[in-house]
Amino acid sequence: DQQVKQNSPSLSVQEGRISILNCDYTNSMFDYFLWYKKYPAEGPTFLISISSIKDKNEDGRFTVFLNKSAKHLSLHIVPSQPGDSAVYFCAASPYNAGGTSYGKLTFGQGTILTVHP
Amino acid sequence: EAGVAQSPRYKIIEKRQSVAFWCNPISGHATLYWYQQILGQGPKLLIQFQNNGVVDDSQLPKDRFSAERLKGVDSTLKIQPAKLEDSAVYLCASSLKGATAKNIQYFGAGTRLSVL
Repeated sequence: DQQVKQNSPSLSVQEGRISILNCDYTNSMFDYFLWYKKYPAEGPTFLISISSIKDKNEDGRFTVFLNKSAKHLSLHIVPSQPGDSAVYFCAASPYNAGGTSYGKLTFGQGTILTVHP
Repeated sequence: EAGVAQSPRYKIIEKRQSVAFWCNPISGHATLYWYQQILGQGPKLLIQFQNNGVVDDSQLPKDRFSAERLKGVDSTLKIQPAKLEDSAVYLCASSLKGATAKNIQYFGAGTRLSVL
């Protein structure tokens, strides 16, 4: 039972254009969402996050959009740069019963982004 | 600030052998996580420690996997005996506030295990 899905295994984009990475989830208890970026031979690094009380969060070239009714989130990178080429994972976390803490992260399978010069 | 340190980086063993991985989290981080990442999949949580206590080990195959976090700092993950399907990258992560708001986890580079 895969609760977080990234249906596109790979994405190829030209430098300067927009990259859009998508993620779908099934668990309605998920309340906090994160994107991680991973370069080869390195661990994932945190990129950007969004809480379910928002529908958009922006940080420089990176923007995450959340559509709770569709259980869908997306990461937009504008403009894309060759250094953005990496594997991108979305992850989701529920808010624990009692509303006092966030639970464990569940990751998607990842999308390989390649930005061509 | 030093990141999450893991060793070894690579390990090749034969099935039924035992193996151990070590992790040193970021200084001051109370929560430590071990993940298993099989090729083509996202990381899957094996066990979560808060200081030296286990918070979640629901996905840890306890018949062969064990983990400990002595003194609430370093941690070791052991597999005994290893199976072919244990071939994966084992990632260690730590977070400052534990299971609280903004559960941002910081990952080490991982240990790539090949079981032959």
